[in-house]
Amino acid sequence: GAGVSQSPSNKVTEKGKDVELRCDPISGHTALYWYRQSLGQGLEFLIYFQGNSAPDKSGLPSDRFSAERTGGSVSTLTIQRTQQEDSAVYLCASSSPWEASDTQYFGPGTRLTVL
Amino acid sequence: RKEVEQDPGPFNVPEGATVAFNCTYSNSASQSFFWYRQDCRKEPKLLMSVYSSGNEDGRFTAQLNRASQYISLLIRDSKLSDSATYLCVVNKASGYSTLTFGKGTMLLVSP
Repeated sequence: GAGVSQSPSNKVTEKGKDVELRCDPISGHTALYWYRQSLGQGLEFLIYFQGNSAPDKSGLPSDRFSAERTGGSVSTLTIQRTQQEDSAVYLCASSSPWEASDTQYFGPGTRLTVL
Repeated sequence: RKEVEQDPGPFNVPEGATVAFNCTYSNSASQSFFWYRQDCRKEPKLLMSVYSSGNEDGRFTAQLNRASQYISLLIRDSKLSDSATYLCVVNKASGYSTLTFGKGTMLLVSP
């Protein structure tokens, strides 16, 4: 079946602009996660949605970052007034209630470049 | 101390070699453990879970030492296609929870 999809695959923007990144999880997966990976760095947790529960926003680096998940499926990560340090690959993952383990399946990521 | 620490490498090995990676984690309450693989400019993919009793999947063997908070991955008979970055991953709680990723260990297998 289809995996996690993300769009756009690449985004180049100017400092100070707002950007929206989209994630479409695997159908039936109730948990959705956003991470970012800066060049040469490990994955950094940003936010986690589980079903209809309040999201875990503990990883968001500043109030310029926000995310929503509509209808328990598609999620949008918004970065307002982008800064050069926001340049990174933003990865979305989802996981299933039916898996024996808490395996997360990752999308291909959105590579964000802030000029 | 970092939550999950790995030697970044790179480990350069010839085809057919056996190579081992280690990882340490700081949270003694961690519940589950994984190795993910990430190819260059690609997303991470689950390689294998790590169980307390140790587990094997073909050429790959994973071990967990809870007392020492230490995880290992052994790759036997390395293939060129094993070249990638191997991420040590820890889940603080059982079931749904956020994963904490190490920065990864790069493996380069040469002919």
